[in-house]
Amino acid sequence: AQKVTQAQTEISVVEKEDVTLDCVYETRDTTYYLFWYKQPPSGELVFLIRRNSFDEQNEISGRYSWNFQKSTSSFNFTITASQVVDSAVYFCALSVPLSGGYNKLIFGAGTRLAVHP
Amino acid sequence: DTGVSQDPRHKITKRGQNVTFRCDPISEHNRLYWYRQTLGQGPEFLTYFQNEAQLEKSRLLSDRFSAERPKGSFSTLEIQRTEQGDSAMYLCASSLGRGSQPQHFGDGTRLSIL
Repeated sequence: AQKVTQAQTEISVVEKEDVTLDCVYETRDTTYYLFWYKQPPSGELVFLIRRNSFDEQNEISGRYSWNFQKSTSSFNFTITASQVVDSAVYFCALSVPLSGGYNKLIFGAGTRLAVHP
Repeated sequence: DTGVSQDPRHKITKRGQNVTFRCDPISEHNRLYWYRQTLGQGPEFLTYFQNEAQLEKSRLLSDRFSAERPKGSFSTLEIQRTEQGDSAMYLCASSLGRGSQPQHFGDGTRLSIL
């Protein structure tokens, strides 16, 4: 069965602190994709990153970085020098190809990040 | 704005009434998905369209739910005889039809059943 676990329900930090959001996934498939989405209070899920199972290189985009480790089935997300605008719920998701070549996303329960001034 | 558009943003209705939501995907996207999100949880997959064909339905989609995508453009999700448990955010997403392309989500329709 496929599953995504985000053990941290809520995290509260002060602006400029670094924060890491954990994501652990389960799948028996050898080919899969992992995603992170941000959901601000407005409700729209904003796509942040996609990583396929064959690419274990870490990725950095500005203040955001992602650490993918297949050995521990983890895909953690770090925000460096957090800002108030980073306050949102962050979701990790697993995509598994199904018959017909399409996919559906399996989401974790999300981590609510509050960044205080 | 060329993102995914959903209408209405909010819907309040009495138990037992029928409701219909609309989703307009990004124009060049041929894949369209519906998800449901309850408070404190991540979105859960409901159904998927490849152009106008509905190819996958979750067990969450009871017979009171029906979705259509006529002509492969916009999609509608109808809930008949609404129940308290239907209260949730209904999210629509679209993507390009290649591999595991990122799904782009709309703002969602929040349904409240009185």
